[in-house]
Amino acid sequence: GEDVEQSLFLSVREGDSSVINCTYTDSSSTYLYWYKQEPGAGLQLLTYIFSNMDMKQDQRLTVLLNKKDKHLSLRIADTQTGDSAIYFCAGCPPGGFKTIFGAGTRLFVKA
Amino acid sequence: DVKVTQSSRYLVKRTGEKVFLECVQDMDHENMFWYRQDPGLGLRLIYFSYDVKMKEKGDIPEGYSVSREKKERFSLILESASTNQTSMYLCASRGASETDTDTQYFGPGTRLTVL
Repeated sequence: GEDVEQSLFLSVREGDSSVINCTYTDSSSTYLYWYKQEPGAGLQLLTYIFSNMDMKQDQRLTVLLNKKDKHLSLRIADTQTGDSAIYFCAGCPPGGFKTIFGAGTRLFVKA
Repeated sequence: DVKVTQSSRYLVKRTGEKVFLECVQDMDHENMFWYRQDPGLGLRLIYFSYDVKMKEKGDIPEGYSVSREKKERFSLILESASTNQTSMYLCASRGASETDTDTQYFGPGTRLTVL
């Protein structure tokens, strides 16, 4: 089955870029997702990328997908203190009901 | 906007009590899910439901049951709460694959403490 792995912590300075990495085992996922969880809240979809794309940009967010290496990354440009949160990488095999989530990367932004 | 609501944000119960966690979504989604979230373990799927009265076990169903009598409501039941069920519980819903990007929409979570 699908397994999704990501590092648990990342610390950056305000204004720098953050890069959160994720590796997955099942390449059949149609979509790969990044969810954000702010303190005390549920998960909120941040962005997603279709599996036949290499890159997707949305304002300060850039998602890169390397299907050969089964590697997904999320880059946040000009990181702000409001970006401090837990970021989850996730994938859902086609026709499947279960979305597989990574353990989450806690991003700390230092002022 | 999709809205998923959970009945309580914080709950404190005693060992052995029966606990009900309620989740309601307003987007007519077929699929609903219950997860628990623990530090370092991420989200683990407890149960999911793909239709009214239909349910499937997730990865950690032991000690839990669910009920889906109406499409918009999915309940998680702890028959006899234990201290190892102290956790954050997240409900999510998702539309049918052919009309949606399989995106899950989450409620705000219920932080349950079992004493």
